Amino acid sequence: DVKVTQSSRYLVKRTGEKVFLECVQDMDHENMFWYRQDPGLGLRLIYFSYDVKMKEKGDIPEGYSVSREKKERFSLILESASTNQTSMYLCASSLSPVTGALNQPQHFGDGTRLSIL
Amino acid sequence: AQSVTQLGSHVSVSEGALVLLRCNYSSSVPPYLFWYVQYPNQGLQLLLKYTSAATLVKGINGFEAEFKKSETSFHLTKPSAHMSDAAEYFCAVSLTGGGNKLTFGTGTQLKVEL
Repeated sequence: DVKVTQSSRYLVKRTGEKVFLECVQDMDHENMFWYRQDPGLGLRLIYFSYDVKMKEKGDIPEGYSVSREKKERFSLILESASTNQTSMYLCASSLSPVTGALNQPQHFGDGTRLSIL
Repeated sequence: AQSVTQLGSHVSVSEGALVLLRCNYSSSVPPYLFWYVQYPNQGLQLLLKYTSAATLVKGINGFEAEFKKSETSFHLTKPSAHMSDAAEYFCAVSLTGGGNKLTFGTGTQLKVEL
């Protein structure tokens, strides 16, 4: 089974802090994704990466950046945390359509519930 | 651009009753469709995916979904609800060549009552 591990289940930080959320997958997947989940809004894509050192903006990238130095690890960075970034953050990974079928599902971690005070 | 609409943010059924969760999509090209389930304090787990090999797709835990192109729908059903089915369900769509990017619906919270 694919295992996507997020480093923290719960995190409390203060406004203005630089926050790092870490995600590791063990299935050699090319694609990795960061979402935030808010009640009534579903999941919204922040950033995704389809290869090491490659990244693309999702639907809501403002206030976030990402880093992918190794294939298995994808980090989400809140440059200067604000209270409106309090949310559940979900990481996911999938095979690339180049190496797998076009309908490859994404595999999710258990999420990090981040509170910014 | 593709989008997904889930009708009903909350659905309540009795244990043993039929479960029907609605999903409609809009897409200018044939989409790939998925249903995910999220139990409290967990990530999303794949229930089933549409593969174009068959319009009726069977998933885990007794769930199935039917792809209807004419109605642009991919509704999720289960003949008999169980208490353990209480969770939030998300429909998602991916476009061919979209790099596996998914667009999610806003979710439907399923409550199962005795």
